[in-house]
Amino acid sequence: DTGVSQDPRHKITKRGQNVTFRCDPISEHNRLYWYRQTLGQGPEFLTYFQNEAQLEKSRLLSDRFSAERPKGSFSTLEIQRTEQGDSAMYLCASSLDRKGSYEQYFGPGTRLTVT
Amino acid sequence: SQQGEEDPQALSIQEGENATMNCSYKTSINNLQWYRQNSGRGLVHLILIRSNEREKHSGRLRVTLDTSKKSSSLLITASRAADTASYFCATDVGNQGGKLIFGQGTELSVKP
Repeated sequence: DTGVSQDPRHKITKRGQNVTFRCDPISEHNRLYWYRQTLGQGPEFLTYFQNEAQLEKSRLLSDRFSAERPKGSFSTLEIQRTEQGDSAMYLCASSLDRKGSYEQYFGPGTRLTVT
Repeated sequence: SQQGEEDPQALSIQEGENATMNCSYKTSINNLQWYRQNSGRGLVHLILIRSNEREKHSGRLRVTLDTSKKSSSLLITASRAADTASYFCATDVGNQGGKLIFGQGTELSVKP
């Protein structure tokens, strides 16, 4: 399967713990995106990378969230000191920079539950 | 924050009928995209229309874009039960392209 993969698919953690999610994009894609989705809502933009450079980070993202893409391939999203409000589906997507049009390919998501 | 507002929030039709979903947005865009989401396959890209285009077709899908009204519509013709899903419009608003702002979606139910 050459699609976007995410690991783990499900994560249950206690409030206050740190969690880290991984995303492996489609191999030739140079852009990688993170979104968060809660029940009944559309995905909410968090951050995105072009190669290893983080281009933008949402103002909604607190300092507890950090994302990296160290070698321009896979990416990690870390949430420190988790809160119950962090419970959501975390989606990763990738795209190829092609003449300014960026159709994005999404992974299956990591469902986070903070108890 | 969500930029797009989609209408209707839910739509129920019979197989074979057409389904029309509308999306309105607030700021200037690079392009507008439509995605489908169901529990089996996650979010799937359907079609992209650039800001200088007015209409685009892909199979049974027809998308229109009116930048003066900041609105778009998605028409699915001859619907099938397999089209049952949530449909989202997403506006590309980043200075460098690629930052998508999604609407809240339209939940489509196609009854056989």
